[in-house]
Amino acid sequence: EAGVVQSPRYKIIEKKQPVAFWCNPISGHNTLYWYRQNLGQGPELLIRYENEEAVDDSQLPKDRFSAERLKGVDSTLKIQPAELGDSAVYLCASSLAATPNTGELFFGEGSRLTVL
Amino acid sequence: QKEVEQNSGPLSVPEGAIASLNCTYSDRGSQSFFWYRQYSGKSPELIMFIYSNGDKEDGRFTAQLNKASQYVSLLIRDSQPSDSATYLCAAHSGAGSYQLTFGKGTKLSVIP
Repeated sequence: EAGVVQSPRYKIIEKKQPVAFWCNPISGHNTLYWYRQNLGQGPELLIRYENEEAVDDSQLPKDRFSAERLKGVDSTLKIQPAELGDSAVYLCASSLAATPNTGELFFGEGSRLTVL
Repeated sequence: QKEVEQNSGPLSVPEGAIASLNCTYSDRGSQSFFWYRQYSGKSPELIMFIYSNGDKEDGRFTAQLNKASQYVSLLIRDSQPSDSATYLCAAHSGAGSYQLTFGKGTKLSVIP
């Protein structure tokens, strides 16, 4: 069974440029998450989807970040314009359900963004 | 501010020894706790979760939870060089909103 697939794996851009990341979750997983992981830190939740609905986007910097999950499967995370502080690894994860006791999050390999 | 605190390490243990990783959390409403392992340049993978006070064992791994002290730990017995990684502690912050808060992680090095 394929895991969570993310692309691109690496992206280097200049500040003020736009960037987009794509995520394909595990088949059948209705819950999808985008996390940001800075160097030496733990992942921080940006947004959580239940099917196509964003149910928790309180940590998403909405002035420059946007996300969508059309048809409740694939998702994209966009940053426009990018700033130096956005350099991080953007992790996509999925789970069968947002049940805290048993719901294991499966992470993709991440998209490493470097903003110059 | 809900926080999960971990000693960033590095924690070095000799091969075959017991590695003890510790974590404290600030939100008394936290219900479930997770240990993820993250190899350098890789994504986190779940090792164990625990939600009842006491110990939970799975092979060489034992998770311990003390809700009164707001303390979670992970013991790795017979540590192997392949256990060398960063271990992330995470807490679920209660019903109504699935917010999984991660600590910064503890880097473990198992010396052959």
